[in-house]
Amino acid sequence: DGGITQSPKYLFRKEGQNVTLSCEQNLNHDAMYWYRQDPGQGLRLIYYSQIVNDFQKGDIAEGYSVSREKKESFPLTVTSAQKNPTAFYLCASSLDRASSYEQYFGPGTRLTVT
Amino acid sequence: GQQVMQIPQYQHVQEGEDFTTYCNSSTTLSNIQWYKQRPGGHPVFLIQLVKSGEVKKQKRLTFQFGEAKKNSSLHITATQTTDVGTYFCAGVERGGADGLTFGKGTHLIIQP
Repeated sequence: DGGITQSPKYLFRKEGQNVTLSCEQNLNHDAMYWYRQDPGQGLRLIYYSQIVNDFQKGDIAEGYSVSREKKESFPLTVTSAQKNPTAFYLCASSLDRASSYEQYFGPGTRLTVT
Repeated sequence: GQQVMQIPQYQHVQEGEDFTTYCNSSTTLSNIQWYKQRPGGHPVFLIQLVKSGEVKKQKRLTFQFGEAKKNSSLHITATQTTDVGTYFCAGVERGGADGLTFGKGTHLIIQP
C-alpha cells in the first residue's frame, strides 16, 4: 500500500528544544517537500528536495533544517531558532518537481511548543 | 515571484446552494491544480487543468481554466455536507522552475 507517512501525529515540546519530524514515502518519488500550515492559512513551503543529497530553501526556511540521505526519507528539524514553531507540518512528494505532477501529502504532524 | 490569490477566503452556504471559488495568478501559468483539505485532514489532489479555456467536470464539481491561463475557478453545484473543507488552487508558472505555488485556500462552511 503506497503512500506517505508522517510521525508522530501530535508532538509537544518545550521552548528551546530542537525537534525532528519524520516523513517517509514508498511511492518512488524523486521530489519531496515540507510545508507549514497555520490556522486558516494556506501552505507555505519550507524546504524541498528534488533528488537524494540535494535540497533547497523554500519561502520560510529560517529556523528549519532538512536532510535527504535516502530517496524515501526527508526529515525536518525545527530548531530553537524558529520563533513561532507551533503549527501543522505537512510533508508531500511528487514524481518530479520541475514538471507539473500532482503532490501527495502525508497526514501531517501537529507541533505545539510551549 | 509568482503569486496565486484565491477568493473568497471563507464562504458560508446553506446545504443545496451552489459554491464558487476563484483563483488568480500574477503570471501566466502552464497548468493549475486543485486540492481539497477536509477539516483536520491533509490536502488531496482533485484535478489538473492544462489547456487554455479548459473545462473539466467531476460529478457536481466543475473546474475552469481561463483563456489567458491566469485564472481558474471551481464551482460546486448543490453543495452537500461532505463538501465541507478548504479548497486550494496551486499553479505552475509557465517557464518557471519554482514548482507549485499554492493559494491560501477558500474555506467552505455548509449549514444544514
